[in-house]
Amino acid sequence: EPEVTQTPSHQVTQMGQEVILRCVPISNHLYFYWYRQILGQKVEFLVSFYNNEISEKSEIFDDQFSVERPDGSNFTLKIRSTKLEDSAMYFCASRLGTFSAVETQYFGPGTRLLVL
Amino acid sequence: TQLLEQSPQFLSIQEGENLTVYCNSSSVFSSLQWYRQEPGEGPVLLVTVVTGGEVKKLKRLTFQFGDARKDSSLHITAAQPGDTGLYLCAGAPLISNFGNEKLTFGTGTRLTIIP
Repeated sequence: EPEVTQTPSHQVTQMGQEVILRCVPISNHLYFYWYRQILGQKVEFLVSFYNNEISEKSEIFDDQFSVERPDGSNFTLKIRSTKLEDSAMYFCASRLGTFSAVETQYFGPGTRLLVL
Repeated sequence: TQLLEQSPQFLSIQEGENLTVYCNSSSVFSSLQWYRQEPGEGPVLLVTVVTGGEVKKLKRLTFQFGDARKDSSLHITAAQPGDTGLYLCAGAPLISNFGNEKLTFGTGTRLTIIP
């Protein structure tokens, strides 16, 4: 069964460093998302992406964040200068993209980011 | 801002008992999804409910969407230790820019089934 994959599974970085989190969505899906989950808190929406541009972003997704689909398979989240409070699990999700608002979003296993 | 509150936050029951988890909001959702999340992993979809009053069954799990599409419940019959996990509800907005459908997640219910 097709699945969303994410790399790396764990990332430890120093505050101020740049990190790139990678996702490979399900191959025929057209809509892509990043969510994050701070330890002990609920899953929060960061950004949605369609047709090579951001569809919507949350207040969390400030100028330090960017997303890119550099080729036909990868979907990346870049944090330019990490802060301690960026430590969280980051989940990528993808959706097929029919004319239906009820399509399922399929989530990857997540990348655990720890900023020291 | 749409919010989803889940209750109870924690639930620990004996194997074989029945339980119900609730997901409530003051907002209307176009659909509501239930996920289960294991530690260190991503949410795994259990079911999507779309129509007000809809009931879906997945083996011993019964999911219901409220008539007004503001709330949902998950009922587990004869709970098994394998049901242990974090259960999340997530709502898709009623009105959205096509293609967004960002999910609003609930606070989660951590369920422990004691053998």
